[in-house]
Amino acid sequence: KNEVEQSPQNLTAQEGEFITINCSYSVGISALHWLQQHPGGGIVSLFMLSSGKKKHGRLIATINIQEKHSSLHITASHPRDSAVYICAVKSGNEKLTFGTGTRLTIIP
Amino acid sequence: NAGVTQTPKFQVLKTGQSMTLQCAQDMNHNSMYWYRQDPGMGLRLIYYSASEGTTDKGEVPNGYNVSRLNKREFSLRLESAAPSQTSVYFCASSAGRVHEQFFGPGTRLTVL
Repeated sequence: KNEVEQSPQNLTAQEGEFITINCSYSVGISALHWLQQHPGGGIVSLFMLSSGKKKHGRLIATINIQEKHSSLHITASHPRDSAVYICAVKSGNEKLTFGTGTRLTIIP
Repeated sequence: NAGVTQTPKFQVLKTGQSMTLQCAQDMNHNSMYWYRQDPGMGLRLIYYSASEGTTDKGEVPNGYNVSRLNKREFSLRLESAAPSQTSVYFCASSAGRVHEQFFGPGTRLTVL
């Protein structure tokens, strides 16, 4: 079993829809990262969080340490949000363990 | 600022050939990392360097060597390439191991 599980693996939605991507992990962590990988391959860090909630524009990330679960929400989704979203957790040895990603496609 | 740069962007090698992937960052970061990304798998850490002059093995170090030439540069060397090393390689850097990581654009390597 992977230490980091993301769901869904693939998600297609209409422009404007509210999007939720989930990440569950099985180890104790010091921080959780959400990353975005565009079709061209570049990877951008969206959030790093260890508790509560963070918001940046239309993106919101939440984490529940007790339940070992994090969600990434996108409000008013747009075709430019189409990308692979990757969850990664940092454990006690400070190594990042990555999920396999959620491929999001937003249709105009 | 260019951020994290990698060269080359694409490379095709024959089995047994050697090559070095170059990575540089201009953010004065202490920590640098090399990852590989394979279809259906998450990014996996090959080697990392917590500071200039230090390097440590990650999850999949076999077949690779690294050099932290100075604070800016961290290179990854394949001494004798194998088809199993066909992958996309990403370099990343961070101010420290508890900080967010910034990624380079990646190098797509094919070993025939």
